[in-house]
Amino acid sequence: DTGVSQDPRHKITKRGQNVTFRCDPISEHNRLYWYRQTLGQGPEFLTYFQNEAQLEKSRLLSDRFSAERPKGSFSTLEIQRTEQGDSAMYLCASSKGQPNSGNTIYFGEGSWLTVV
Amino acid sequence: AQSVTQPDIHITVSEGASLELRCNYSYGATPYLFWYVQSPGQGLQLLLKYFSGDTLVQGIKGFEAEFKRSQSSFNLRKPSVHWSDAAEYFCAALGVTGGGNKLTFGTGTQLKVEL
Repeated sequence: DTGVSQDPRHKITKRGQNVTFRCDPISEHNRLYWYRQTLGQGPEFLTYFQNEAQLEKSRLLSDRFSAERPKGSFSTLEIQRTEQGDSAMYLCASSKGQPNSGNTIYFGEGSWLTVV
Repeated sequence: AQSVTQPDIHITVSEGASLELRCNYSYGATPYLFWYVQSPGQGLQLLLKYFSGDTLVQGIKGFEAEFKRSQSSFNLRKPSVHWSDAAEYFCAALGVTGGGNKLTFGTGTQLKVEL
């Protein structure tokens, strides 16, 4: 298996600009997750998809954030009108099925966002 | 509220010494439990997981963890630390029902290994 792939790995943007991150999960993994990790903290859940359906969103996901997984394969996370508080690492993960049925969640290497 | 606590922010050990990283959880029902490791600027790698059964779980890279229901703990151990183990370690929990699709992470323990 190739692992979970994220692009870009690093992004520096000016406040107010829009940014988009892409995630390619492990092949045949039907569940895809987005997490956010700020310095000195553990990752925090943002949202997850089962195939193309977005089934859960955290309250952390404000109106400026939108995630899609149009064909049930790769996913994008867009942040509109970025703010300095959005600076973080955005982690994508995937699993073959329901994690509480024993399926491991595999993480990508993350996309670092710095808003200046 | 569901939470995972890692009381130690930083730990320093000498190479070859033993290691124990602490993790406590607060959940309505006993969750599934995990330890992940993160090297600088990298994603998370799963070290081990506990779902049920034997309370002593073996993982990769020589790590093990012990689940203690009475203490709501899931501490990570290694008998002899190698310099390459320097990284950040995260304990995480997954609800058995309801929120069984999202991991709740602790704040992490940064491990430094002195040569």
